[in-house]
Amino acid sequence: GQQVMQIPQYQHVQEGEDFTTYCNSSTTLSNIQWYKQRPGGHPVFLIQLVKSGEVKKQKRLTFQFGEAKKNSSLHITATQTTDVGTYFCAGARGNTPLVFGKGTRLSVIA
Amino acid sequence: DTEVTQTPKHLVMGMTNKKSLKCEQHMGHRAMYWYKQKAKKPPELMFVYSYEKLSINESVPSRFSPECPNSSLLNLHLHALQPEDSALYLCASSQDEARLASTDTQYFGPGTRLTVL
Repeated sequence: GQQVMQIPQYQHVQEGEDFTTYCNSSTTLSNIQWYKQRPGGHPVFLIQLVKSGEVKKQKRLTFQFGEAKKNSSLHITATQTTDVGTYFCAGARGNTPLVFGKGTRLSVIA
Repeated sequence: DTEVTQTPKHLVMGMTNKKSLKCEQHMGHRAMYWYKQKAKKPPELMFVYSYEKLSINESVPSRFSPECPNSSLLNLHLHALQPEDSALYLCASSQDEARLASTDTQYFGPGTRLTVL
């Protein structure tokens, strides 16, 4: 079945450093979504990418969807302590449910 | 109102108990989901309801029984659970205008943290 791999599993950064998490699918996706889950919280939708090669920005966060629609990345510039949490990508094909990656847990050292 | 609510927040139950988890949304969404999330793991899809009909059951054991009484409510009935069923149970909803379109954004509730003794 469809698999979505996400790396790294953990990332510890100094406040102010950049952070990137990568997502790879075994199959071409119709779209990819990114969610953030704070410690003790629930997943919160960040963004959806649909088009091949799409790049979207939200303040310090940059999201990319690969040309082949099989991979995606989330890059955070100059991390802050408020960025702490687990970032999940979730991919889908057609009308099948979302498949979540295993997540990247980000910790930021002040 | 962009909120999905879930009750209770925490639940401790014995293996012989029967309990129910409740989920409610008033966003007019027609798809509702139950996920199970173990610590440090991604959410794992259990059930999907589309237009109040069960459309996906991801081979979930029968000790979990979902129910969708109306378009705003989703229940998960629990009976004879095992300690390994202890987890965070998340409810989510999405618009589902195109019948489980994967482009739908899912809105998650805060979850019920379940402990089975």
